[in-house]
Amino acid sequence: NAGVTQTPKFRILKIGQSMTLQCTQDMNHNYMYWYRQDPGMGLKLIYYSVGAGITDKGEVPNGYNVSRSTTEDFPLRLELAAPSQTSVYFCASIDRQGEQPQHFGDGTRLSIL
Amino acid sequence: DQQVKQNSPSLSVQEGRISILNCDYTNSMFDYFLWYKKYPAEGPTFLISISSIKDKNEDGRFTVFLNKSAKHLSLHIVPSQPGDSAVYFCAARRTNAGKSTFGDGTTLTVKP
Repeated sequence: NAGVTQTPKFRILKIGQSMTLQCTQDMNHNYMYWYRQDPGMGLKLIYYSVGAGITDKGEVPNGYNVSRSTTEDFPLRLELAAPSQTSVYFCASIDRQGEQPQHFGDGTRLSIL
Repeated sequence: DQQVKQNSPSLSVQEGRISILNCDYTNSMFDYFLWYKKYPAEGPTFLISISSIKDKNEDGRFTVFLNKSAKHLSLHIVPSQPGDSAVYFCAARRTNAGKSTFGDGTTLTVKP
């Protein structure tokens, strides 16, 4: 049982490049989330999904896209990388609504130069 | 409008003493509160939580107190240990909504 797995762990992109951050969970959780954490700040919600085929915007969705074709996977896509997207990205999952804590991956550190 | 605030960016305590981390919230619809602990280069891990129907929850050395009228919660760590040195995030949500709102974190340093 690996929990939430994120790949890659580190990546450097040039301005204007695109990439996909991968997130997979093996707990059969329905809810999945993408957050970004800037230095000295808390986690800001980018997108979330309540199940396969259903996604919704969080606080800071601009510049990102997501899809949820399976329960296990929730990739985050950056189409035109900008320096403002330099951050650490965390994926998380939860089984259901209610009094449940989120399970987090170890993050992807992304630098846009 | 930051709905969850941790006003102390950092806290330093001596090993064996009590650590008290504070968190304030503004949204009265929040009814479930959590603390997460984060080490460098790792994701946050769940530490302890409390429902709005309680005012205290204890788990070993960790106790969370909730004051609903003041919209304030605190995490007490007794006794503090060097391994407790980490960033602590407060989070809040409505239990019928899947989204949590996080504070900016407090970096705790426990000195031997």
